[in-house]
Amino acid sequence: EPEVTQTPSHQVTQMGQEVILRCVPISNHLYFYWYRQILGQKVEFLVSFYNNEISEKSEIFDDQFSVERPDGSNFTLKIRSTKLEDSAMYFCASSLGLAGYNEQFFGPGTRLTVL
Amino acid sequence: SQQGEEDPQALSIQEGENATMNCSYKTSINNLQWYRQNSGRGLVHLILIRSNEREKHSGRLRVTLDTSKKSSSLLITASRAADTASYFCAIIDRGSTLGRLYFGRGTQLTVWP
Repeated sequence: EPEVTQTPSHQVTQMGQEVILRCVPISNHLYFYWYRQILGQKVEFLVSFYNNEISEKSEIFDDQFSVERPDGSNFTLKIRSTKLEDSAMYFCASSLGLAGYNEQFFGPGTRLTVL
Repeated sequence: SQQGEEDPQALSIQEGENATMNCSYKTSINNLQWYRQNSGRGLVHLILIRSNEREKHSGRLRVTLDTSKKSSSLLITASRAADTASYFCAIIDRGSTLGRLYFGRGTQLTVWP
């Protein structure tokens, strides 16, 4: 069964460093998302992406964050200068059809630890 | 807040028993989705129920939706130890085509063998 994959599974970085989290959505899906979950807290929406541009972003997704679909398969989240409070599990998700009406399938997550 | 809120926060049952988790929300919705998360792992999609649906089944799972009460329930019948996980409801606002999911805090289900 097709699934969303994410790499790496765990990333440790120093505060102020740039990180790139990678995702391979399900191949025929058209809508892509990033969410994060700080330990013990709710899963929070970061950004949605469709047709090679951001559709919606939350207040968390500030200028330090960017997303890109550099080729036909990868979808990346970049954090330019990491802060301690960026430590969280980051989930990528994808959806086949019109995003408000279809299931979103999540990857296994990347655990980001900022020291 | 549009977010779904699950109830109870924690549920502990024996194998073979049924587990019922509830979700309440405040806005009008397109759909409501239930997810499972094993400790420290990813989110597994369980069921999507649309705003014009009242009940859906998938294997041992039964989801109901009452839009007049802005609530949903997830029933797991004949539970197994492997069902131990956190269960989340997530909503999409009515009219949203962008797919932003709002999650609740989850119900931690423990099934004892």
